[in-house]
Amino acid sequence: EVQLVESGGGLVQPGGSLRLSCATSGFTFSSYAMSWVRQAPGKGLEWVSGISGSGGTTYYADSVKGRFTISRDNSKNTLYLQMNSLRAEDTAVYYCAKGKGNMVRGVTFDYWGQGNLVSVSS
Amino acid sequence: QSVLTQPPSASGTPGQRVTISCSGSSSNIGSNTVNWYQQLPGAAPKLLIYSNNQRPSGVPDRFSGSKSGTSASLAISGLQSEDEADYYCAAWDDSLNGLFGGGTKLTVL
Repeated sequence: EVQLVESGGGLVQPGGSLRLSCATSGFTFSSYAMSWVRQAPGKGLEWVSGISGSGGTTYYADSVKGRFTISRDNSKNTLYLQMNSLRAEDTAVYYCAKGKGNMVRGVTFDYWGQGNLVSVSS
Repeated sequence: QSVLTQPPSASGTPGQRVTISCSGSSSNIGSNTVNWYQQLPGAAPKLLIYSNNQRPSGVPDRFSGSKSGTSASLAISGLQSEDEADYYCAAWDDSLNGLFGGGTKLTVL
């Protein structure tokens, strides 16, 4: 059974940093692209970042480019999102999502985590 | 405002057929495949349709997708109360960004 479990969210002050983790199981992690998708309270879905199975290719939404870094540890079957210079508008539930294949240039996600709330406020 | 445009709301009565549209441009829907996600209240999104018109295993055939040019549609036939949810279209953009539509809230009357 495929499982994605996010952790690391919480309350942080503007300008602060946070690292989200997504522990996975039930599939060959290194064979699939992974992404982060967020949802601000009461709002729609927003793609944040994607990474290839090997970790060698990454893409970012313009809204987070230069502030967020996606990475993965294939030996630990874990996906990460390092978030720096956080702003109030980054407040959202962050979902990790498994790509249906290894195509990082895509938004086809067949499994999602339960979501992890990040609140940016003073 | 989302690059992929969806109506904010849609509604229907049980048994009816409802369609939800998604409009984009040549750099996203026009040159890449479209996916649809269903998000029930308080839950994570679920893949409903991928590659324009393919259903993952377990998704009822009441749900169907289509694409023409720079627009796509999700159709739900035989509407049921449990279909009440938010629906999102999604596509990759050639500017190297993933895109979601703004979402459509479906109400079953």
